Amino acid sequence: KQEVTQIPAALSVPEGENLVLNCSFTDSAIYNLQWFRQDPGKGLTSLLLIQSSQREQTSGRLNASLDKSSGRSTLYIAASQPGDSATYLCAVRPSGYALNFGKGTSLLVTP
Amino acid sequence: NAGVTQTPKFQVLKTGQSMTLQCAQDMNHNSMYWYRQDPGMGLRLIYYSASEGTTDKGEVPNGYNVSRLNKREFSLRLESAAPSQTSVYFCASRAEGPEAFFGQGTRLTVV
Repeated sequence: KQEVTQIPAALSVPEGENLVLNCSFTDSAIYNLQWFRQDPGKGLTSLLLIQSSQREQTSGRLNASLDKSSGRSTLYIAASQPGDSATYLCAVRPSGYALNFGKGTSLLVTP
Repeated sequence: NAGVTQTPKFQVLKTGQSMTLQCAQDMNHNSMYWYRQDPGMGLRLIYYSASEGTTDKGEVPNGYNVSRLNKREFSLRLESAAPSQTSVYFCASRAEGPEAFFGQGTRLTVV
């Protein structure tokens, strides 16, 4: 069974800092990896999706990388803002149809 | 521009009661999913439907049934609710492409 681990579980940073969230997975045979954001009491919003053949994807201040052979992905957030405070979830899609999720990193950006 | 719509948003049940959680998507997606999210456990797959007329068990199917009524709708039924089914339930859908889209969730409490 594919296991997805996210480190750290929680992170608090002052506004303006650059930060990195980590995701690791046990089986490198994946189709893609997706990063989501979840605000308290809300659903999941897709941030970035990386296909297995890709190394990275960028959207605004966010950059996600994928090293499939080592089973790792990172989400880089540049110049963090209080509005970035949320839980960030990493999910991989192995063979088959469904996503396997990590438990998330809870991010707090303080003014 | 509704995307994935779940009803109800909140529900309180007594142990032993039954109910159906509704999910509808307007993106013409083939695949639909039901997940539950519990503190410290992350999101776990309950059931999924790869196409209209097909359903398959996920990681935690016990105590649940599903119906893929048509391409748009995928319902989750609790026949006899138990306190262990207190959770936040998310429905998701995906087209042939890789990206999954999630609803806003249903918060269910079983007392």
